[in-house]
Amino acid sequence: EAGVAQSPRYKIIEKRQSVAFWCNPISGHATLYWYQQILGQGPKLLIQFQNNGVVDDSQLPKDRFSAERLKGVDSTLKIQPAKLEDSAVYLCASSRGLGNSYEQYFGPGTRLTVT
Amino acid sequence: QQPVQSPQAVILREGEDAVINCSSSKALYSVHWYRQKHGEAPVFLMILLKGGEQKGHEKISASFNEKKQQSSLYLTASQLSYSGTYFCGTAYNTDKLIFGTGTRLQVFP
Repeated sequence: EAGVAQSPRYKIIEKRQSVAFWCNPISGHATLYWYQQILGQGPKLLIQFQNNGVVDDSQLPKDRFSAERLKGVDSTLKIQPAKLEDSAVYLCASSRGLGNSYEQYFGPGTRLTVT
Repeated sequence: QQPVQSPQAVILREGEDAVINCSSSKALYSVHWYRQKHGEAPVFLMILLKGGEQKGHEKISASFNEKKQQSSLYLTASQLSYSGTYFCGTAYNTDKLIFGTGTRLQVFP
């Protein structure tokens, strides 16, 4: 089966600009996650969707970050305006079910550099 | 509360064994283990659930001590392909995973 797809793979923007990332999860996976991974650290959950509803967005900086999952499949994560500290790899993951008894499958990530 | 992983780094020769630990300050519902190679996505290794259920790859073994709120990942007869950074992710309920800071493992011939 095809894995989690993400695009773009790399993005360089200047601070205060906006950027959007796209994710297509594994077919049939109900749960989708967006993580931020800063160099040398573990992934940090930004937002979690179950189908097209938000389950957890407690760590999403809502003044600048937004995410949506239309029709319960693809998802986009947007940053507007970007700050220098947003430089990181943004990982999308999906799992078959909700809850932590299901393994998560990660996409290749988008490496964002904010200058 | 982010779990604490130890050691931070391990260097091995092929065929040697290693243990990576993951400790939490709170009671755990589940522990996940992932391996991430440089520039790649994390790859699932194992889930250990409260109550003893485990799901994962046959060649990987791990333990989950609910009383001590910790998990250990056992890498035996290491191969070059085992190199990478290992992350544990802890869940206190059915909500989000919180990942540790990782253990970097390097295996040399």
